[in-house]
Amino acid sequence: EDQVTQSPEALRLQEGESSSLNCSYTVSGLRGLFWYRQDPGKGPEFLFTLYSAGEEKEKERLKATLTKKESFLHITAPKPEDSATYLCAVSKDTGRRALTFGSGTRLQVQP
Amino acid sequence: EADIYQTPRYLVIGTGKKITLECSQTMGHDKMYWYQQDPGMELHLIHYSYGVNSTEKGDLSSESTVSRIRTEHFPLTLESARPSHTSQYLCASSESLRGAITDTQYFGPGTRLTVL
Repeated sequence: EDQVTQSPEALRLQEGESSSLNCSYTVSGLRGLFWYRQDPGKGPEFLFTLYSAGEEKEKERLKATLTKKESFLHITAPKPEDSATYLCAVSKDTGRRALTFGSGTRLQVQP
Repeated sequence: EADIYQTPRYLVIGTGKKITLECSQTMGHDKMYWYQQDPGMELHLIHYSYGVNSTEKGDLSSESTVSRIRTEHFPLTLESARPSHTSQYLCASSESLRGAITDTQYFGPGTRLTVL
């Protein structure tokens, strides 16, 4: 059975304190791994897609990396506005191409 | 940038009422999806559509129904709402591009439904 597990469930950082969020997956025929940001009461906002092991993508203070078993979202020198829930999702090698989501990491960055 | 809209954003109704949650996208995407999300939990797919007149049930069993009469419109209907239907409902869309490995799904802002 496909599984996407994110850790930690919650993370509290001081402004400027870098850290990483983990997404481990068990999926046959991975097509893509997605990172989304979700603010309270809103829909997920697309951040990155990673397709193959070794791939990295960056956007401002965020960098996503991918291995054959997990993905990391590195946050460098975070600011309070980075506070949100970060969701990981995978797309399988099937015709349906719907996403399987993890339960997310709630990040709080304190000034 | 995604242009996908959901109305209403918040809805509080009594048990037994019929409701329709609206979802529209202006990007011409062929695929559309409905997810259900409880607070602090994963998103679960309840319905999806590959195009006009195409609808399928998702992984999570749902008493809701959907229709896809127009490309841009994918409404979700509950014939008789119950407290167990209280949740956040998220609509998404994606485009099948020739040669693309996978689709990127873009989400609307969601509808928070409370059934009393």
